[in-house]
Amino acid sequence: AQSVTQLGSHVSVSEGALVLLRCNYSSSVPPYLFWYVQYPNQGLQLLLKYTTGATLVKGINGFEAEFKKSETSFHLTKPSAHMSDAAEYFCAVIFDTGGFKTIFGAGTRLFVKA
Amino acid sequence: DVKVTQSSRYLVKRTGEKVFLECVQDMDHENMFWYRQDPGLGLRLIYFSYDVKMKEKGDIPEGYSVSREKKERFSLILESASTNQTSMYLCASKGQATNEKLFFGSGTQLSVL
Repeated sequence: AQSVTQLGSHVSVSEGALVLLRCNYSSSVPPYLFWYVQYPNQGLQLLLKYTTGATLVKGINGFEAEFKKSETSFHLTKPSAHMSDAAEYFCAVIFDTGGFKTIFGAGTRLFVKA
Repeated sequence: DVKVTQSSRYLVKRTGEKVFLECVQDMDHENMFWYRQDPGLGLRLIYFSYDVKMKEKGDIPEGYSVSREKKERFSLILESASTNQTSMYLCASKGQATNEKLFFGSGTQLSVL
């Protein structure tokens, strides 16, 4: 079955440290890949997306993600965490056979310590 | 600014009540979606619609129905609310291209007592 897995429901980093949030998908055909962010008491908004072309994708607020077909991964990184990055992050996928359906991972809550 | 508007931010209902959650988008999008968000489970798709009067089941449609009589409005209906339907409900819309992003409303926190 096609699925999206986010490793780690909670990640805690110190301010200024590297942020790494992991996402893997299960599909033999590369899907469309997205990261969404949900700040406290707000709706979800797009952070970045990969469709075709360059495998390293840059998003808003200094985040980027790299599509690795061989590892079926789309991990999200940011070199230096800021307090304002504290939020819940969702990896999302549109599988080629899924039409318009966007499938979400379970989410990773990022905590940033001062 | 583009908007997806959900009619209520918080809603409290009793078991067995019929519940309507309304969603309106102003972007002329063909596609609209209803998700529920639960801690540790992420967002799960309940129903979606790709055109007026068209609907398709998502991954967890049981206990829900939907209505799309106008392009801008997509309603989620709980025919007989149950306590296990207590959740955050998110409406979203997107345009025609498969790789377009979803635009989300701010959500309705439904509590069924």
